[in-house]
Amino acid sequence: GQQVMQIPQYQHVQEGEDFTTYCNSSTTLSNIQWYKQRPGGHPVFLIQLVKSGEVKKQKRLTFQFGEAKKNSSLHITATQTTDVGTYFCAGPWDNFNKFYFGSGTKLNVKP
Amino acid sequence: SQTIHQWPATLVQPVGSPLSLECTVEGTSNPNLYWYRQAAGRGLQLLFYSVGIGQISSEVPQNLSASRPQDRQFILSSKKLLLSDSGFYLCAWSVGGHQPQHFGDGTRLSIL
Repeated sequence: GQQVMQIPQYQHVQEGEDFTTYCNSSTTLSNIQWYKQRPGGHPVFLIQLVKSGEVKKQKRLTFQFGEAKKNSSLHITATQTTDVGTYFCAGPWDNFNKFYFGSGTKLNVKP
Repeated sequence: SQTIHQWPATLVQPVGSPLSLECTVEGTSNPNLYWYRQAAGRGLQLLFYSVGIGQISSEVPQNLSASRPQDRQFILSSKKLLLSDSGFYLCAWSVGGHQPQHFGDGTRLSIL
């Protein structure tokens, strides 16, 4: 079955530094979603990418979908303490009704 | 607007006891419904999903079961809990396949 691998597992940065997490799939994805889970909270949907090579921005967050639609990245510019949390990518799995979540990247931002 | 309710927020149960976690969605019809489990510091494991009343797909064979007695109600059950059932249980809904999922606040289940 399909798997979505996410790296790194952890990232510790100083406030103001940039951060990037990468998501890789063994197969071509029709789309990919990104979620953020704050400590003690539940995952919250951030964005969905559908097109090959697509790039979307949300303020300091930049999301990219690879040309081959097998990988994706989330880049945060000038991190803030409010960015702390775990970022998950999720790709459709086998059929249209379920997603496989990556293992997540836990971001810690030191003030 | 749509909302999802999940309860209880925390639960402590002895090994071998039964379990019933409930999730309800408001403000939408015929949603896809999902149960996930998250071990501490880990990713989300899909347990069950449902595309309609009475339709349940199981992803991981174990001592858990799910039911959807009403369009916007999803229940996770167990007849006898194991220590390995501890975790953070999350219910989610979406308007359909490949659409964003919206999660409830989750239930933290501890088995003693």
